[in-house]
Amino acid sequence: NAGVTQTPKFQVLKTGQSMTLQCAQDMNHNSMYWYRQDPGMGLRLIYYSASEGTTDKGEVPNGYNVSRLNKREFSLRLESAAPSQTSVYFCASSELGRINSPLHFGNGTRLTVT
Amino acid sequence: TQLLEQSPQFLSIQEGENLTVYCNSSSVFSSLQWYRQEPGEGPVLLVTVVTGGEVKKLKRLTFQFGDARKDSSLHITAAQPGDTGLYLCAGAIGSNYKLTFGKGTLLTVNP
Repeated sequence: NAGVTQTPKFQVLKTGQSMTLQCAQDMNHNSMYWYRQDPGMGLRLIYYSASEGTTDKGEVPNGYNVSRLNKREFSLRLESAAPSQTSVYFCASSELGRINSPLHFGNGTRLTVT
Repeated sequence: TQLLEQSPQFLSIQEGENLTVYCNSSSVFSSLQWYRQEPGEGPVLLVTVVTGGEVKKLKRLTFQFGDARKDSSLHITAAQPGDTGLYLCAGAIGSNYKLTFGKGTLLTVNP
């Protein structure tokens, strides 16, 4: 029972490099999310996808793009990484249409931009 | 401005003590969730509260949703080292199913 799987677990980038964070869920959830977690800042929503084929900006979308590849997969792309994007990134999924539906998180990608 | 304020930010106690963590806002939430996160892992849901005044118990953990649905508390009785972790509250406003998270309370229970 994998749940939400994120790859890679760790990544170091130089300023200006690009990369894509991958996320896949096997729970047949409609909604998927990308959060970043920084010390003292809590979890902040970057982008979300309410259902396959739709994506919307969250609280901190600048510098990121997303792709909802299919129902299972939701990727986050950094086109030109900056040191301010050093963070732990979490992907999550939930059922659609239930306001008290819980989020199921992956174990995170720890990204360092030098 | 942080929509959800959690207090205290850090808490270090001895095994067997009781504690309460608070989650406060000026906004009304349609539901509020509590998560626990352990090092190197993602947050895991503990409970969801929906009704104002609702109280839910999960073994030694008691969760309460304020009557006005603007605040919540988490009380742990006889804390154990296994309770150590980051406790996060998260709220949904109206029919918006995007959750807003507080900054968390980092709890350390010493044996």
